[in-house]
Amino acid sequence: AQSVAQPEDQVNVAEGNPLTVKCTYSVSGNPYLFWYVQYPNRGLQFLLKYITGDNLVKGSYGFEAEFNKSQTSFHLKKPSALVSDSALYFCAVRDRANQAGTALIFGKGTTLSVSS
Amino acid sequence: GAVVSQHPSRVICKSGTSVKIECRSLDFQATTMFWYRQFPKQSLMLMATSNEGSKATYEQGVEKDKFLINHASLTLSTLTVTSAHPEDSSFYICSASGDASYEQYFGPGTRLTVT
Repeated sequence: AQSVAQPEDQVNVAEGNPLTVKCTYSVSGNPYLFWYVQYPNRGLQFLLKYITGDNLVKGSYGFEAEFNKSQTSFHLKKPSALVSDSALYFCAVRDRANQAGTALIFGKGTTLSVSS
Repeated sequence: GAVVSQHPSRVICKSGTSVKIECRSLDFQATTMFWYRQFPKQSLMLMATSNEGSKATYEQGVEKDKFLINHASLTLSTLTVTSAHPEDSSFYICSASGDASYEQYFGPGTRLTVT
């Protein structure tokens, strides 16, 4: 069975400091991995994805994530946090072996709080 | 990128009434649409998967007679909450996927409040 774990309910960082939001996954085969961000009362906004190729993926708003197959992780990172980055972040996975049209499996979400 | 819209963005209804939520893919053909439910500060819970022209596949524990899903065209899926109760109050989000695509595009969500 597929699953995604986001071990931290909340991450607190000061503006200007680097941030990391952790994600580990479990799939039977090779994964498609995604990060989404959600602001209050809004839908999900796509940040980045890993499909194949370079393990370091760069996405929107200066975010990046590194696919680590041995550790089954896909942590989200940003070198310098902004107060406006404060939001709810979701990691999601789909087993590449599944047919197209299969739903994503989401982690429980991590609230990022950036203080000024 | 592909755009998915939802209507309405916010709805308040009385207990016992039915509410219809529309999900549209604006610039691509969505062979598959997904409906999620999200409680405050929680993750998205998949309710059902709908493929154009066929019956939706519901997740375990989701009442198909209460949450009616129709995917009549490649650009429109509807979720009807029948005989709504206050416990149905939630944030409902749809997403859409095209042919042979690993991408899902999410709508902005619909806030349902049942009084």
